[in-house]
Amino acid sequence: GAVVSQHPSRVICKSGTSVKIECRSLDFQATTMFWYRQFPKKSLMLMATSNEGSKATYEQGVEKDKFLINHASLTLSTLTVTSAHPEDSSFYICSASGGAYYNEQFFGPGTRLTVL
Amino acid sequence: DQQVKQNSPSLSVQEGRISILNCDYTNSMFDYFLWYKKYPAEGPTFLISISSIKDKNEDGRFTVFLNKSAKHLSLHIVPSQPGDSAVYFCAASDSGGSNYKLTFGKGTLLTVNP
Repeated sequence: GAVVSQHPSRVICKSGTSVKIECRSLDFQATTMFWYRQFPKKSLMLMATSNEGSKATYEQGVEKDKFLINHASLTLSTLTVTSAHPEDSSFYICSASGGAYYNEQFFGPGTRLTVL
Repeated sequence: DQQVKQNSPSLSVQEGRISILNCDYTNSMFDYFLWYKKYPAEGPTFLISISSIKDKNEDGRFTVFLNKSAKHLSLHIVPSQPGDSAVYFCAASDSGGSNYKLTFGKGTLLTVNP
């Protein structure tokens, strides 16, 4: 299967600062990348869908000005949590699809964000 | 409204026996189904998928069965191994929709006892 990486794997930041998380598809061109958030004991919640070169489509209830998504190339998407607050602390996971993998999503290892 | 449901939050089986994980869906537009395995603090790993034109797909120890009339699918793992212990997510997509968005169930924690 395809490989997707995320960086950093863990980040701790102070309240009010911004944090950028990178998602890379290492061995295929990801025309679409997805960003998820996982709450404890709950399913993966889709935050937004991004297509390379266009604006992200956000799910209902997700603030686009708070969670900035950029998908500037076929191998890289970034999620920036702006002015982070403790309630933004969560496990953020990206996935990628495209090319031969158009009907599947391959997930990154996730990023644990802790906002103090 | 939960469109993909995994009604068993946990399942415990003995090593060597069969594990059966169940999933129900309500959206009749779903036509592609996937199972993912997830360890704590890691991203989900794709296991196996099935298109709605099939009723069974097999890959090694993993078999997925689809019953479209009942809107039900199941994942069979045989023989179960301790390394299979993880959370299993069922996911569904409407391939006629945009971007093949996946809708996930809440997951089932499988524990395989040695």
